[in-house]
Amino acid sequence: DGGITQSPKYLFRKEGQNVTLSCEQNLNHDAMYWYRQDPGQGLRLIYYSQIVNDFQKGDIAEGYSVSREKKESFPLTVTSAQKNPTAFYLCASRAYKAGGRNTGELFFGEGSRLTVL
Amino acid sequence: GNSVTQMEGPVTLSEEAFLTINCTYTATGYPSLFWYVQYPGEGLQLLLKATKADDKGSNKGFEATYRKETTSFHLEKGSVQVSDSAVYFCALSDWQGAQKLVFGQGTRLTINP
Repeated sequence: DGGITQSPKYLFRKEGQNVTLSCEQNLNHDAMYWYRQDPGQGLRLIYYSQIVNDFQKGDIAEGYSVSREKKESFPLTVTSAQKNPTAFYLCASRAYKAGGRNTGELFFGEGSRLTVL
Repeated sequence: GNSVTQMEGPVTLSEEAFLTINCTYTATGYPSLFWYVQYPGEGLQLLLKATKADDKGSNKGFEATYRKETTSFHLEKGSVQVSDSAVYFCALSDWQGAQKLVFGQGTRLTINP
């Protein structure tokens, strides 16, 4: 079955450590996204990528980094510069056609919960 | 910029009650509108969508109509079940813009038997 796989589901980090969250999709989607979810604040966009080897900052990119070396993969690194990294992280993807009409529907993974000790 | 405002929660109803969750938006261009649902500990699932004015999205007994004149996309269900307990997110995508979804803050719904 096609879908988006995030790992790990739960992750604990000590202060000052970098951690990388994995996101893999087999939907053949061009665009991929990382959102952060905090209680009562909805989802906020961290980074997104519409094509391999290219990505853009979202609304809260500070303290995060990404790469997009393959179409299927969009890992997110939470660096030690991120002041409050404890949150639920959601990866998503969508089909994207440059210059065409896109309805914007996102497909989400199950999420990764990061806790800083 | 584009934004979505949802009715604040939490919302608690009894089984078989009528549900309305309000959603209004601010956007340039002609956005597509969505409702997503999140069950505890899971990612988001698309519940329904509408891509142009006056479209009605529907799924699993839920409905929402894209109202351009009132910039609204309210979610309704005639008779809720305990299994509908979840967090509901309204979202928009401006397909002429940066091709990203903007979400409301979410509304937590609890249905009591």
